Amino acid sequence: DGGITQSPKYLFRKEGQNVTLSCEQNLNHDAMYWYRQDPGQGLRLIYYSQIVNDFQKGDIAEGYSVSREKKESFPLTVTSAQKNPTAFYLCASSRTGSEGSEQFFGPGTRLTVL
Amino acid sequence: AQSVTQLDSQVPVFEEAPVELRCNYSSSVSVYLFWYVQYPNQGLQLLLKYLSGSTLVESINGFEAEFNKSQTSFHLRKPSVHISDTAEYFCAVFVNTDKLIFGTGTRLQVFP
Repeated sequence: DGGITQSPKYLFRKEGQNVTLSCEQNLNHDAMYWYRQDPGQGLRLIYYSQIVNDFQKGDIAEGYSVSREKKESFPLTVTSAQKNPTAFYLCASSRTGSEGSEQFFGPGTRLTVL
Repeated sequence: AQSVTQLDSQVPVFEEAPVELRCNYSSSVSVYLFWYVQYPNQGLQLLLKYLSGSTLVESINGFEAEFNKSQTSFHLRKPSVHISDTAEYFCAVFVNTDKLIFGTGTRLQVFP
């Protein structure tokens, strides 16, 4: 089955630790995205990548880092510089990064920083 | 800057009643509009989209939305809701950029 997988589903970390969230897709999509979801705020774009070895900052990139070494993988690292990292993180992909290209979402990772 | 407004954070409704979830966007240029649905602790699923052509678009599960350029709206409607429609609904717009802008979401709660 084609789709997007995110792991783990739930993640707990101590304050001050870096943590990496996994996102893999087998849809052969060029573009991939990371969003953060907080109650009452909708989805906010963290980083996106339209092609391998290239990525751009979204609206709330501070305290996060990404890499895109392979077409199917787009891991997100939440660093200790992120002031309020507890949130639900969603990864998405689309065939291209152009307008109108439908984004497909993974099941999400809920990160809790203790 | 482009923005999407979903005025209603929560919409309670009884089963089999009609419902409308409102979405307005700010843009003076052509737009592509989407509605996504999110069930608890899951990712988002595309419900329907407007890219061009007919201003009325429909989903396979009875929802429809109408693109109204003069009112810059893309409201989502269903004539008769089911308990299983309980979820959060997000309106999103793609405007001459390479990213989607999402509204803050509307939680639809259907009661028996």
